[in-house]
Amino acid sequence: NAGVTQTPKFRVLKTGQSMTLLCAQDMNHEYMYWYRQDPGMGLRLIHYSVGEGTTAKGEVPDGYNVSRLKKQNFLLGLESAAPSQTSVYFCASSYLTSGNTGELFFGEGSRLTVL
Amino acid sequence: AQSVAQPEDQVNVAEGNPLTVKCTYSVSGNPYLFWYVQYPNRGLQFLLKYITGDNLVKGSYGFEAEFNKSQTSFHLKKPSALVSDSALYFCAVRGYTGRRALTFGSGTRLQVQP
Repeated sequence: NAGVTQTPKFRVLKTGQSMTLLCAQDMNHEYMYWYRQDPGMGLRLIHYSVGEGTTAKGEVPDGYNVSRLKKQNFLLGLESAAPSQTSVYFCASSYLTSGNTGELFFGEGSRLTVL
Repeated sequence: AQSVAQPEDQVNVAEGNPLTVKCTYSVSGNPYLFWYVQYPNRGLQFLLKYITGDNLVKGSYGFEAEFNKSQTSFHLKKPSALVSDSALYFCAVRGYTGRRALTFGSGTRLQVQP
């Protein structure tokens, strides 16, 4: 019963370093999302994917890249980390068809600190 | 563009009293509306949703929400609050068309006092 799994759960980076967050889901969901959560701002959509091999920009995509090479995995990359990217990152997935309402299933979050 | 407003950063209520967490939305066309709850150091969990039909929807843990199209609101309610309901609550919206991702509000912290 894994659901949505995010790794790593915690990471500290120095400004300018790069890293990748991995999201894996075992529910065969087509849609996957990366959100960031900041105090007082709720969750903001970074990038999302509507299927294997496709990605799209969300509200705050700058400074991030994503890839969806396999249906079950959605990677979020930071090429050159900045202190403004200190946040908690949530991955989510959903199974969306014309008859479905796209309820999201969330991972437990990855806390990233950029010094 | 779609948006959600949660006007209260925090709501305080005594255990056993009714609670309301407010949410208003903006979206083109008809909305899909959701409430999620987040406990400390956890991901968000789905509580309930409005798609179409009855304006009062019931969800998990005794929560319900009322959809009001004229006021573009979707307030979360519970008749009798429990201390264990203390958490961060998020309202979210998605339109029938356009980007297939939820837009979340800023969240409301619910504190239920014993």
